[in-house]
Amino acid sequence: EAGVTQFPSHSVIEKGQTVTLRCDPISGHDNLYWYRRVMGKEIKFLLHFVKESKQDESGMPNNRFLAERTGGTYSTLKVQPAELEDSGVYFCASSQEFRQGAGNTIYFGEGSWLTVV
Amino acid sequence: GQSLEQPSEVTAVEGAIVQINCTYQTSGFYGLSWYQQHDGGAPTFLSYNALDGLEETGRFSSFLSRSDSYGYLLLQELQMKDSASYFCAVYTGFKTIFGAGTRLFVKA
Repeated sequence: EAGVTQFPSHSVIEKGQTVTLRCDPISGHDNLYWYRRVMGKEIKFLLHFVKESKQDESGMPNNRFLAERTGGTYSTLKVQPAELEDSGVYFCASSQEFRQGAGNTIYFGEGSWLTVV
Repeated sequence: GQSLEQPSEVTAVEGAIVQINCTYQTSGFYGLSWYQQHDGGAPTFLSYNALDGLEETGRFSSFLSRSDSYGYLLLQELQMKDSASYFCAVYTGFKTIFGAGTRLFVKA
């Protein structure tokens, strides 16, 4: 079974440019999350989709970030225009529904490393 | 606000036992998870505690005290391959919040 896949794995762009990150979750997982980690900091929650609907986008830093999930399948995260502080690793993750006792195991992709110069 | 506190770094020798603590303050609590991340890789699930007590999975054990808002990950018989970052995470019922991670260095 394929895991969570992300593209691109690495991206270096100039300040002011646009970058779009793509995530393909594990097949059958309705829950899709975007997280970001800046060096040495926490894995910070950005937003959560349930199928194609945004369940929680409270972690999105500002309106330069736009996430979509087409048809409840893959998701994209667009940063436009990118700023220096947007640099970090963007993780996509997916999960099945929460199960009492088993929790909400999240399966992560390997991340998209974004460097804004 | 919501926060999870864990040490930034721990160093131990091969074969030893190490405990990584996590205290949390969140609006809502369903359970505490631990994830391992090797450099450049994806965080991977290790354990989940919904109830108080100790859960053992091989060399790794995880403990939770809900009344103290505290948990820990215990790694026994440390191996070099255990060198990684370890994150505690709380599922609040709405989302999963992660700590900043503990970098574990295992020395020979």
